[in-house]
Amino acid sequence: NAGVTQTPKFQVLKTGQSMTLQCAQDMNHNSMYWYRQDPGMGLRLIYYSASEGTTDKGEVPNGYNVSRLNKREFSLRLESAAPSQTSVYFCASSEPARNYYEQYFGPGTRLTVT
Amino acid sequence: ELKVEQNPLFLSMQEGKNYTIYCNYSTTSDRLYWYRQDPGKSLESLFVLLSNGAVKQEGRLMASLDTKARLSTLHITAAVHDLSATYFCAVVRGGTYKYIFGTGTRLKVLA
Repeated sequence: NAGVTQTPKFQVLKTGQSMTLQCAQDMNHNSMYWYRQDPGMGLRLIYYSASEGTTDKGEVPNGYNVSRLNKREFSLRLESAAPSQTSVYFCASSEPARNYYEQYFGPGTRLTVT
Repeated sequence: ELKVEQNPLFLSMQEGKNYTIYCNYSTTSDRLYWYRQDPGKSLESLFVLLSNGAVKQEGRLMASLDTKARLSTLHITAAVHDLSATYFCAVVRGGTYKYIFGTGTRLKVLA
């Protein structure tokens, strides 16, 4: 039982390049989330997926797109990376029917855009 | 707009001392969470508080919730070095899946 996994762990991009961050969970959770964490700040919600087939914007969705590929996988895409997107990205999952929506977080992806 | 404020932002304390971290939020919320984050690591869930007056304890940490005051506290009893970390509270806007995090309290326990 790996919990929530993210790939890659580290990535360096040049301005304008695109990439997709991958997230998978093996806990059979319905809800999945993408956050970014900037130095000295808490986490900010980028997008979430309440259940398979649905996605919604969070606090800071601009510059990102998401895909809920199936119940296990939720990917985050940067179409044209900008230095302001340098951050640590966390994926999380939760199951509303159990554990009161308690979120389980992946290890994070450290992204640098030069 | 739901806002979450934590204070203090930084806390340096001696081993064996007690202290409290405060988490204020601006509008009604269904649930409040406390997380711990070690440097360079992910977030670990500590407590989930669901109702007014809820109190949860784990080891030297105790969390409580006052929904009328829109305030949660995380009390540290007889701090030890292993508690050094950043602590976040988060609330969920009622009826949504949108978690709003506080800016965190960086705790350093000095031996």
